[in-house]
Amino acid sequence: DIHMIQSPSSVSASVGDTVTITCRAGRSISTWLVWYQQKPGKAPKLLISGASNLQSGVPSRFRGSGSGTHFTLTISSLQPEDFAVYYCQEANNFPYSFGQGTIVEIK
Amino acid sequence: QITLKESGPTLVKPTQTLTLTCSFSGFSLTTRGLGVGWLRQPPGKALEWLAVIFWDDDRYDNPYLESRVTITKDTSKNQVVLTMTNMDPVDTGTYFCAHRDSGGWSAFWGQGIEVTVSS
Repeated sequence: DIHMIQSPSSVSASVGDTVTITCRAGRSISTWLVWYQQKPGKAPKLLISGASNLQSGVPSRFRGSGSGTHFTLTISSLQPEDFAVYYCQEANNFPYSFGQGTIVEIK
Repeated sequence: QITLKESGPTLVKPTQTLTLTCSFSGFSLTTRGLGVGWLRQPPGKALEWLAVIFWDDDRYDNPYLESRVTITKDTSKNQVVLTMTNMDPVDTGTYFCAHRDSGGWSAFWGQGIEVTVSS
């Protein structure tokens, strides 16, 4: 399987800040990378597929980029509803490994 | 619209077999490219895919679970069933089923079912 490493594991930020989360794959996965947001007690919500394709209904302040082994999720102008845990996931090779998650918390 | 819902026991004893059912609507698992999978999340930890089954009956189970997991589908009932043998307290967590699009993403998830393994 492909090991996915996310960083940082947590970040403290204020409303209005910009946050960048990095995800590295153990080997090239092209753009087979998705990003999820998860809030306590809820199922993950798909934000971005194909490394950079914003899902319908997801605010444009979320942006994904990257290919190969290095990917980023950038959240601009952080809003109160964005405080959550974010996961990257490799989407082409079972067991479709997840990163360990990044907690975005209020400073 | 697409919906999925997990059902099954919320408490199992160590060494027992867990059987969970994912009932879905809004799509057919006979549609080319689609799949349904099971994932789990231990308390405070990351998500993990357990198994996935596709429209053509191709299926994968997580090799780290050492053949404890089986996934099957009943297309007439719109259900996917997960069985997991020899349950252990470390298997405690929330179990989700999810729709897998042909493009590899999962936009639709069940609400999850919390399973506790305890004697």
